[in-house]
Amino acid sequence: NAGVTQTPKFQVLKTGQSMTLQCAQDMNHEYMSWYRQDPGMGLRLIHYSVGAGITDQGEVPNGYNVSRSTTEDFPLRLLSAAPSQTSVYFCASSYSPGLAMNEQYFGPGTRLTVT
Amino acid sequence: GQQLNQSPQSMFIQEGEDVSMNCTSSSIFNTWLWYKQDPGEGPVLLIALYKAGELTSNGRLTAQFGITRKDSFLNISASIPSDVGIYFCAPRSRWAGSYQLTFGKGTKLSVIP
Repeated sequence: NAGVTQTPKFQVLKTGQSMTLQCAQDMNHEYMSWYRQDPGMGLRLIHYSVGAGITDQGEVPNGYNVSRSTTEDFPLRLLSAAPSQTSVYFCASSYSPGLAMNEQYFGPGTRLTVT
Repeated sequence: GQQLNQSPQSMFIQEGEDVSMNCTSSSIFNTWLWYKQDPGEGPVLLIALYKAGELTSNGRLTAQFGITRKDSFLNISASIPSDVGIYFCAPRSRWAGSYQLTFGKGTKLSVIP
């Protein structure tokens, strides 16, 4: 198993550009989520999905869209990038959202810079 | 909203020393997780605690779930250079039908050989 994969690893955008961060997992996990990590802030939840066709907002959803058309993929879209979205983005997945004993596996991250 | 305080923010220690870090919260949680993040990588789960008062070890790591369910600590004994990284506490709460993690701001550990 490849686990959780993210592409690209690095990206530089100009303000106003759009792009999609890709996330895929091959573990048949129901739950997938996106976090952003800023210096000194820990990881903050952007959006999450408890299964194909179901998404919901996390703590910091503004400026981001998600969709979950398949179990494996959970792309994160920036419609109009802003410098405040400069961050490291992590995708994570776990087997079932409703189980208490349930480990989340994280991808390697995408480092995004918006100029 | 809930407040989560992780301390210390950073530590510089000599190889072989023991390390202690903790998290406290204004809210009660049913699960406390501890993650480690190596430079340039995503977080990896170290220890999971599911019951108040629980003390769990994983090699040189020991973590405890506080009796009040509002705090947890992580100890690392006899530190080695590969312990370098950022350690996060991540208590879990049930929100809108699923379990969500709240991450502390992290403790950055540096080990001097």
